[in-house]
Amino acid sequence: SYVLTQPPSVSVAPGQTAKISCGGNDLGTKSVQWYQQKPGQAPVLVVYDDSDRPSGIPERFSGSKSGNTATLTISRVEAGDEADYYCQVWDSSSDYVFGTGSKVTVL
Amino acid sequence: QVHLVQSGAEVKKPGGSVKVSCEASGFTFTNYYLHWVRQAPGQGLEWMGIYNPSGGFTNYAQKFQGRVIITMTRDTSTSTVYMELSGLRSEDTAVYYCARGSTSPQFDFWGQGTLVTVSS
Repeated sequence: SYVLTQPPSVSVAPGQTAKISCGGNDLGTKSVQWYQQKPGQAPVLVVYDDSDRPSGIPERFSGSKSGNTATLTISRVEAGDEADYYCQVWDSSSDYVFGTGSKVTVL
Repeated sequence: QVHLVQSGAEVKKPGGSVKVSCEASGFTFTNYYLHWVRQAPGQGLEWMGIYNPSGGFTNYAQKFQGRVIITMTRDTSTSTVYMELSGLRSEDTAVYYCARGSTSPQFDFWGQGTLVTVSS
């Protein structure tokens, strides 16, 4: 089955930049999505198709991809950005796959 | 305005079944897919299955095949999708979400989640 690997945790000071990686085989050929999930809430789509933002998502959230690694970048981090973040792709053999998740802690 | 409203929390016994509903409104239902995703306590997100209202097509994650069924009913203004999971065991204790999808592999709107607790 297809696996997406993320770092379990990322810590960042307010106002700084957080980068969350997501690695997977042949990731360069797949469309990558990113979701933010705060405690007790449903996930929210923050980036789709590698680097596009849904309406209403701040420009501080951006996505990129290089080779087999996708990255979600959160610029000028705020306390309200503290959450779990998941990457997600569709794979022909495994269908819809989510990453292992990364907890972002704002120091 | 897109709304996905799910049914309330359930407590079930091992071996039983649960049926969770997701009422969709505010968009053209046949233009999108409806997915089910679950999240065990303290764990990550796990895709379970998809319903395509256009043709009534379903596809389930291999892990759940034989145990899950997704169905749908419609009236004039709302459409309701149901996810029924049978053969419940304690490991099925989780929050179950419905989510809207499209031909692009993204989940752009989510229901509020339904907690299913399996306990004897």
